Amino acid sequence: NAGVTQTPKFQVLKTGQSMTLQCAQDMNHNSMYWYRQDPGMGLRLIYYSASEGTTDKGEVPNGYNVSRLNKREFSLRLESAAPSQTSVYFCASSLKPGLATTGELFFGEGSRLTVL
Amino acid sequence: AQSVTQLDSQVPVFEEAPVELRCNYSSSVSVYLFWYVQYPNQGLQLLLKYLSGSTLVKGINGFEAEFNKSQTSFHLRKPSVHISDTAEYFCAVSDLDTDKLIFGTGTRLQVFP
Repeated sequence: NAGVTQTPKFQVLKTGQSMTLQCAQDMNHNSMYWYRQDPGMGLRLIYYSASEGTTDKGEVPNGYNVSRLNKREFSLRLESAAPSQTSVYFCASSLKPGLATTGELFFGEGSRLTVL
Repeated sequence: AQSVTQLDSQVPVFEEAPVELRCNYSSSVSVYLFWYVQYPNQGLQLLLKYLSGSTLVKGINGFEAEFNKSQTSFHLRKPSVHISDTAEYFCAVSDLDTDKLIFGTGTRLQVFP
């Protein structure tokens, strides 16, 4: 029962380097999301994909790009990492596109990124 | 747009004592409300949710929450906590205009023996 799987779990980057966080879900969910979690700020939505083939900006999209590769996979790319992007990143998925409908998100275990 | 406030960033409590974690949301015609729990080094998981109906909702691990429309609150309670309840708890509200979940800043519950 894998659920939502994120890789890598830990990464250290230097300012200006690029990297991609991978996320895959095996629950046949339609919608997928990327959040970042920072102390005292809770979770903030970066990008989401309501369904395969669509992506939309969330609350804090600057500095990030996403790709919904297929129904299972949703990747987050940092093209030129900055120290302000040091955070814990969570991928999540939900069965239906409308979060307000079900409200149940299934989260991965997180990817801890440090940008020096 | 909706917003949610968790007034306590940390709540220390002894084992077997009762606990209440507070959550207030901005007013709206109708809202859906949620509590998520995050155990150390794990992702979040749904604890309970209020969509409609009874204002007292029960969740996993003996937690419950009460929706109070007049006070725009959705406080989480447990009558007797265990060491294993040590975690961070997030309140969330649905924003029906943007169709997104808005998370609070979290409350860290620390249970001491």
